[in-house]
Amino acid sequence: DGGITQSPKYLFRKEGQNVTLSCEQNLNHDAMYWYRQDPGQGLRLIYYSQIVNDFQKGDIAEGYSVSREKKESFPLTVTSAQKNPTAFYLCASSPLEGPDTQYFGPGTRLTVL
Amino acid sequence: GIQVEQSPPDLILQEGANSTLRCNFSDSVNNLQWFHQNPWGQLINLFYIPSGTKQNGRLSATTVATERYSLLYISSSQTTDSGVYFCAVMNTGFQKLVFGTGTRLLVSP
Repeated sequence: DGGITQSPKYLFRKEGQNVTLSCEQNLNHDAMYWYRQDPGQGLRLIYYSQIVNDFQKGDIAEGYSVSREKKESFPLTVTSAQKNPTAFYLCASSPLEGPDTQYFGPGTRLTVL
Repeated sequence: GIQVEQSPPDLILQEGANSTLRCNFSDSVNNLQWFHQNPWGQLINLFYIPSGTKQNGRLSATTVATERYSLLYISSSQTTDSGVYFCAVMNTGFQKLVFGTGTRLLVSP
């Protein structure tokens, strides 16, 4: 089945620790995105990438880092510099040709203890 | 940047009722999408509709780009329609989707 997978579904970390969230897609999409969602809010863009080995900051990139070494994978690291990391994180992908429709993974819920 | 406003913020319906959700945006767009987020957090793309009208079963959407708004119609609502509906737009010349704050829909049996 084609789709986007995110792991883990739930993640707990202690303050001061870095943590990496996984996002994999087998849709052969060129573009991938990371969003953050806080309770009762819309989605805010953290980082996006349109091709391998290239990525751009979104609106709230501070305290986060990404890599894009493979077309299928776009991991997000939440660093200790992120002041309020507890949130729901969503990964998405889209093709670069045709309608720019984004497809989302199931999300990772991160809680900082 | 572009602003996206959705109304109403909350909506409660009896099963079988119809509803209209509205999305207003502050600038010209070349991309507009409607999403449904289910109670478990999964976002499903409903429509890619930068202009015109589309229908998919009980759902339809209309975007009037010149007047900077889009409408999502839900007919004969079902309990499975519950969740949050988001409108997201992309400015002409930019490459980022900007999301509204959503309309939270609860359909009761």
